[in-house]
Amino acid sequence: NAGVTQTPKFRILKIGQSMTLQCTQDMNHNYMYWYRQDPGMGLKLIYYSVGAGITDKGEVPNGYNVSRSTTEDFPLRLELAAPSQTSVYFCASSRLAGGPTDTQYFGPGTRLTVL
Amino acid sequence: AQKITQTQPGMFVQEKEAVTLDCTYDTSDPSYGLFWYKQPSSGEMIFLIYQGSYDQQNATEGRYSLNFQKARKSANLVISASQLGDSAMYFCAMREEDPSYKLIFGSGTRLLVRP
Repeated sequence: NAGVTQTPKFRILKIGQSMTLQCTQDMNHNYMYWYRQDPGMGLKLIYYSVGAGITDKGEVPNGYNVSRSTTEDFPLRLELAAPSQTSVYFCASSRLAGGPTDTQYFGPGTRLTVL
Repeated sequence: AQKITQTQPGMFVQEKEAVTLDCTYDTSDPSYGLFWYKQPSSGEMIFLIYQGSYDQQNATEGRYSLNFQKARKSANLVISASQLGDSAMYFCAMREEDPSYKLIFGSGTRLLVRP
């Protein structure tokens, strides 16, 4: 199993440009998450999904959109990139949510710079 | 509001010695989960160990153990017999038992293992 994969690994955007960060998991997990990590900080939740067709906002959703049409994929869309969105973006997934085996597994991250 | 505090921005440890990384948390929920993740310089987030709020015994995973003191709301990570490859950022996180089951992260501790 590949686990959680993310593309691209690195990206530089100009202010106002748009892009989609891709996330795919092959573990048949129900829950999927997008976090961002600013320099020297822990991760903060942007959006999450509890299954195909169901998404909801996290702690820092402004400037982002998500969709979940399949169990495997959970893309994150940036519509009008701003320098404040310079960060490392992590996608994560877990089978369910509340048990000891329901650990969140993370993708390798996407490092985004907005200039 | 739920919160995770890691008061040690950076720590040194001599190779083969044990080290304790501190983590305190704040929550009013009776049911919660506590996690430790390792983030090496390559950037990925690696799950290390989990402790449930109702677990009677401290969690252990190989050289990692979690010193869980519920009354003090602390969940310190103990790494025994440190290795050079343990040099990394370490994040403590708490899982909310709510619809999102998101992880709330501390700001991390950077551990450097000296040869």
